[in-house]
Amino acid sequence: EAQVTQNPRYLITVTGKKLTVTCSQNMNHEYMSWYRQDPGLGLRQIYYSMNVEVTDKGDVPEGYKVSRKEKRNFPLILESPSPNQTSLYFCASTISGRGGPGETQYFGPGTRLLVL
Amino acid sequence: SQKIEQNSEALNIQEGKTATLTCNYTNYSPAYLQWYRQDPGRGPVFLLLIRENEKEKRKERLKVTFDTTLKQSLFHITASQPADSATYLCALDPAEYSGAGSYQLTFGKGTKLSVIP
Repeated sequence: EAQVTQNPRYLITVTGKKLTVTCSQNMNHEYMSWYRQDPGLGLRQIYYSMNVEVTDKGDVPEGYKVSRKEKRNFPLILESPSPNQTSLYFCASTISGRGGPGETQYFGPGTRLLVL
Repeated sequence: SQKIEQNSEALNIQEGKTATLTCNYTNYSPAYLQWYRQDPGRGPVFLLLIRENEKEKRKERLKVTFDTTLKQSLFHITASQPADSATYLCALDPAEYSGAGSYQLTFGKGTKLSVIP
C-alpha cells in the first residue's frame, strides 16, 4: 500500500530536549516536505526536499532542521524545542513537486507535538 | 504581499445541494492549483489538480475551475452528502512564472463544509 508514515504520532516533551520526528514513504517519490498546522494559521511549509541531499527552507524553517540521506526518509529535527513549536506536524511526498501528470501529494497521518 | 484566501471559514449546506467553495489569490501566477480534503486530526487527502491552461476539471461529483484572470478557483461538490463534511483546502505553487514550478506549496486556511441531512 502506498503510504507516508510518521513516528511518533503523539509526543510530549520539555523545552530544550532534542527530538526527531521520522517520516518515510514507500512510493519512490523525489519530493518530500514537512508542514505544521496551527489553528487560525493553516498549513505552513517548514522544509522541503527535491531529492537526496537537496533540501530548502519553506515558510517557517526557524528552529527546525532536516536531512535527506535516503530517498525514502526525511526526518524533522528539533534541536531545542520551545513551546511555540507545539503543533500538528505533517510529512508529505509527491513524485517530483512540479505539478506534472499524476502529481498527487500524499500526506502522513500527522504527529501531534506538545512542548512544555 | 502574496496571499491565498478561501472565502469563508465555514459553510453549511443542505444535503443534495451543490456546495461551492472559493479560493482567491493575489500576487501569484501559479502554474497549478490543488484541492485537498482534511478530516479532523488527519492528514489532507489530495482531490484534484488543475493546471493554469485548464479551465475546468471534473472527478465524479467534484468540479474545479481555474480563472487566472480573476485569480480564482471554484470547487464544487454536486449532490452533496453528509459524508462530504470536512475541511477543504486549496493550495498553489507560488512560482512567479508559469511552467517553472518552485517546489513549494502554499495552502489556504481552509473552508469547513458541513452538509446537513
